[in-house]
Amino acid sequence: ETGVTQTPRHLVMGMTNKKSLKCEQHLGHNAMYWYKQSAKKPLELMFVYNFKEQTENNSVPSRFSPECPNSSHLFLHLHTLQPEDSALYLCASSQETGSSYEQYFGPGTRLTVT
Amino acid sequence: GQNIDQPTEMTATEGAIVQINCTYQTSGFNGLFWYQQHAGEAPTFLSYNVLDGLEEKGRFSSFLSRSKGYSYLLLKELQMKDSASYLCAVSDSNYQLIWGAGTKLIIKP
Repeated sequence: ETGVTQTPRHLVMGMTNKKSLKCEQHLGHNAMYWYKQSAKKPLELMFVYNFKEQTENNSVPSRFSPECPNSSHLFLHLHTLQPEDSALYLCASSQETGSSYEQYFGPGTRLTVT
Repeated sequence: GQNIDQPTEMTATEGAIVQINCTYQTSGFNGLFWYQQHAGEAPTFLSYNVLDGLEEKGRFSSFLSRSKGYSYLLLKELQMKDSASYLCAVSDSNYQLIWGAGTKLIIKP
């Protein structure tokens, strides 16, 4: 498999559930990102990891918890979400941070919180 | 604050030319990206400009004026498959991408 993959592609969860989103990149990159994409809004950067170390946390609520066990895998753990968290969650990777490298995106997980 | 502006939606005719504009105000500038995103799919890289001028890549060209905080994406010989959202993003002084909300391009036969 090539590129950036994400699972699941679709997720419906209640506000009391706990679930995890998974991202895997097969590009040999060292940086990985989580973005939130809501309709008609700019992409919102949530978290950045460079060489497995978290370098950005853009004031994301604690109900979102990232995990990066290695440079190829990234998880987003979800718990007690709110309906306004319903959105498309995109994972991306790049060579590394600290320069204007192109980012490669996965297809996203469409999350619906009921 | 940091801001990227681009039109919400544009309509064009198959075979024609369309120009999608993007203006930006950011803290620092380390280049401007254009991405294409088809509905339900991942954004894919189209172009990167860091110096003023026009970069041509097949049917797509991208222009940058740093002094004006302005870029445009030019699509020639439009095809139905070009119907998509086009995202403008600027790399700021920390190399963090600041994104516009995207321009939805509708191509009509």
